[in-house]
Formats: sequence, structure tokens, C-alpha cells
Amino acid sequence: QSALTQPPSASGSPGQSVTISCTGTSSDVGGYSFVSWYQHLPGKAPKVMIYEVSKRPSGVPDRFSGSKSGNTASLTVSGLQAEDEGDYYCSSYAGSNNHVFGTGTKVTVL
Amino acid sequence: EVQVVETGGGLMQPGGSLRLSCAASGFTVSSNYMTWVRQAPGKGLEWVSVIYSDGSTAYADSVKGRFTISRDNSKNTLYLQINSLRAEDTAVYHCARGRPNWYFDLWGRGTLVTVSS
Repeated sequence: QSALTQPPSASGSPGQSVTISCTGTSSDVGGYSFVSWYQHLPGKAPKVMIYEVSKRPSGVPDRFSGSKSGNTASLTVSGLQAEDEGDYYCSSYAGSNNHVFGTGTKVTVL
Repeated sequence: EVQVVETGGGLMQPGGSLRLSCAASGFTVSSNYMTWVRQAPGKGLEWVSVIYSDGSTAYADSVKGRFTISRDNSKNTLYLQINSLRAEDTAVYHCARGRPNWYFDLWGRGTLVTVSS
């Protein structure tokens, strides 16, 4: 149950796009289409932004999109806004009733 | 309002025990699968445990044998019993509701557990 690997940080200016990668193995990310992404602001409850690799829950702006290729999933935030600043975590089902989260990426809006 | 609220954290001695609670409103805990996720200071989210609607449970290897997840259907509340507390258990513990296809759509703000002598 090793954590999925994410870059520690990502940044962009308002209006630009930022993409966060999430690398796992064939036992988690590569083996299932059950990758989700969460935004976590300090002191707040995490919020799901993407589920099942690329689906957006109701209320999440379409600026957020997800994809997957092999053992790596990605979250792209287009048209970056100041309110997008925060920590982002990927998560994947890992079989045998286990789940695993990513190491987290701090997104900064310059 | 649909929400979950965690309580029960605090400053604990190593070797001690603690029970965290997660009170749910607006939905039925026993009809969903529920999970605990923790975040140690300066670290990322770590999945801890899950309980399914049929009552079956699963745990991360790092807590297996010391943590017990359970629920009280009459109180619509989820619990996490933590025994033999260690310094590395220091974290904010969040509960969350699971949805089909393995994602968590409703989270609480968490309760802080600090293990220190």
C-alpha cells in the first residue's frame, strides 16, 4: 500500500492551465478506472473534484478535468483562478478493499 | 443538512486508547460504506479503514490489529477505536461517505489526535 506519487508543487498564473500527475502501479491506478481527485484547503473538509478518472460531480466547474494513461492519472485545471489554490490529492482503489492516496500537490496561483 | 461531524480527538499518552466518533445527518450510515482517512502534520492523506453496508471491514496494513471500525445504526454514527496509541498516530482523522465506484463524496473537517508524553 505505497502512496501514489504526485509532484510536491505546481503553479500557474490566473487563466493558465496546470496539470498534476499521479503515478501508481498496475495494482491500483493502472488496474482500475476508480481514480478520484480531492481538493483540500487548510482546516476544511476535502472535496471531491473528479471521480472514476474523468467524471465531475455536480457543482464542480468544467475547468477541472481528469484522464488516465497506463499507471498514471492526471488532473488538469484550466483557466486557473485564485480560489483553485490549495492541496490536491489523487486516490485509487487498490483491490482487496484497499484504497490508496497520493502524496499530494500544492497548487499555487501566481 | 447532509453532513458528518467527527469528535473524540485530544491529547493522549502513548499506549493509551481512544474512540473517535463520526455523527452523520441527512443520510443513513448503515446504507453506505464509510471510511476513515487521516492526515499527519505536514503529511498527505492516508486511508485508514472502511466499513461496508453489510458490516464487513478492511484496514490499512499500518493500523491492522490496533484500529477497529464500527457503527451504531441507532445513533447513525461511525466509530474508530484506536488502541496502543503511538506517536505516529498523531493526525487529523476525517470520516467520509463512500460512493459506488470507490470515491468519497462527503467529508468532515476532522478531529485532531495528538499522541505525546
